[in-house]
Amino acid sequence: DAKTTQPNSMESNEEEPVHLPCNHSTISGTDYIHWYRQLPSQGPEYVIHGLTSNVNNRMASLAIAEDRKSSTLILHRATLRDAAVYYCIPSYQGGSEKLVFGKGTKLTVNP
Amino acid sequence: DAMVIQNPRYQVTQFGKPVTLSCSQTLNHNVMYWYQQKSSQAPKLLFHYYDKDFNNEADTPDNFQSRRPNTSFCFLDIRSPGLGDAAMYLCATSRLTTGNQPQHFGDGTRLSIL
Repeated sequence: DAKTTQPNSMESNEEEPVHLPCNHSTISGTDYIHWYRQLPSQGPEYVIHGLTSNVNNRMASLAIAEDRKSSTLILHRATLRDAAVYYCIPSYQGGSEKLVFGKGTKLTVNP
Repeated sequence: DAMVIQNPRYQVTQFGKPVTLSCSQTLNHNVMYWYQQKSSQAPKLLFHYYDKDFNNEADTPDNFQSRRPNTSFCFLDIRSPGLGDAAMYLCATSRLTTGNQPQHFGDGTRLSIL
């Protein structure tokens, strides 16, 4: 299984950009990199995913290193509503395509 | 809005008393998943259905069963709940098994065992 390493916690101020790093050095060439977040008392929410190229959507940007061993989720302007646990997940795990959640990064956003 | 709905949001049962949690989806997705999330832990996949094909995770206890009578509904049955089964249970769907497909989660059912 591709293992991921994320900081346990990060802190940001409202309206500032946030860069959430993830190391996935054992990722295989066909694994997509997914990011989900989980707000308190809610189910996880899909944020973004990518394979090789950087990706943008209305929620965030995903920057993938050229060697694919790491990626960074970028929230361009953090809001209080972005306070959540962020999970970085390679998509191919244990011989099948499934999500295996690691511990994630707890993001705190200060007003 | 199309969504994944879990009922109830909170469920209390007695030790050893069978309990069923339900999940419905309006996304018409082929795949439905059940996850268990214990307090301060990450979600852990229990099993999933690809259409009518059931796929169990190797370490899911036999106490946990699932049924999918049609595309829209999926049930999680816990035959004899123990105190260790107290957790949030999350249902998710995806159009295909995850690779290039995001999963859509419900808000979960929090199960308490008395």
